[in-house]
Amino acid sequence: NAGVTQTPKFRVLKTGQSMTLLCAQDMNHEYMYWYRQDPGMGLRLIHYSVGEGTTAKGEVPDGYNVSRLKKQNFLLGLESAAPSQTSVYFCASARATGNTIYFGEGSWLTVV
Amino acid sequence: DAKTTQPPSMDCAEGRAANLPCNHSTISGNEYVYWYRQIHSQGPQYIIHGLKNNETNEMASLIITEDRKSSTLILPHATLRDTAVYYCIVRDQYSGGGADGLTFGKGTHLIIQP
Repeated sequence: NAGVTQTPKFRVLKTGQSMTLLCAQDMNHEYMYWYRQDPGMGLRLIHYSVGEGTTAKGEVPDGYNVSRLKKQNFLLGLESAAPSQTSVYFCASARATGNTIYFGEGSWLTVV
Repeated sequence: DAKTTQPPSMDCAEGRAANLPCNHSTISGNEYVYWYRQIHSQGPQYIIHGLKNNETNEMASLIITEDRKSSTLILPHATLRDTAVYYCIVRDQYSGGGADGLTFGKGTHLIIQP
């Protein structure tokens, strides 16, 4: 039972490069989320999706794009990476609105 | 605006009960109290949640005051592996498809002492 799986787990990017983080869940959940966590801080919501084909902005969406082409996958894209996007990124999913949210193990991104 | 207030850190002896307090004086009728924890470098782990009644599961107990303005998470027999940051979160279960993701504060860093 994999739950929520994120790839890659570690990545170093140069400023201006682009990349995509992949989140996959095997629980048939409708809702999916992307958070970022900076040192000593709580998690902040970047974008979320309430179902296949839908996306919406969270608290800190600038500099990121997302896509939910398949129900089980939620992709987070950085078009032009900046050092301020150095962070740990967590994906999460929930069966429906108001249900318990389950998290992946995180993806460590460093932008130099 | 912070919806919850937690002490930044707490210590507890191994084998004793760890009691983590949380104040949520502005909680509304539709909002549940959720607890998550984050062990160093790992993803947040769901612990327990409740609305008004006390709740218990295999990990912990949640005691919510009658006026719902505060709660306590109890880990009955703390072990070294319980050292983590514990987040108390209030969440509207009926946000109607809006941004119902969790809003994290800074939590309580619980340190279990051997």
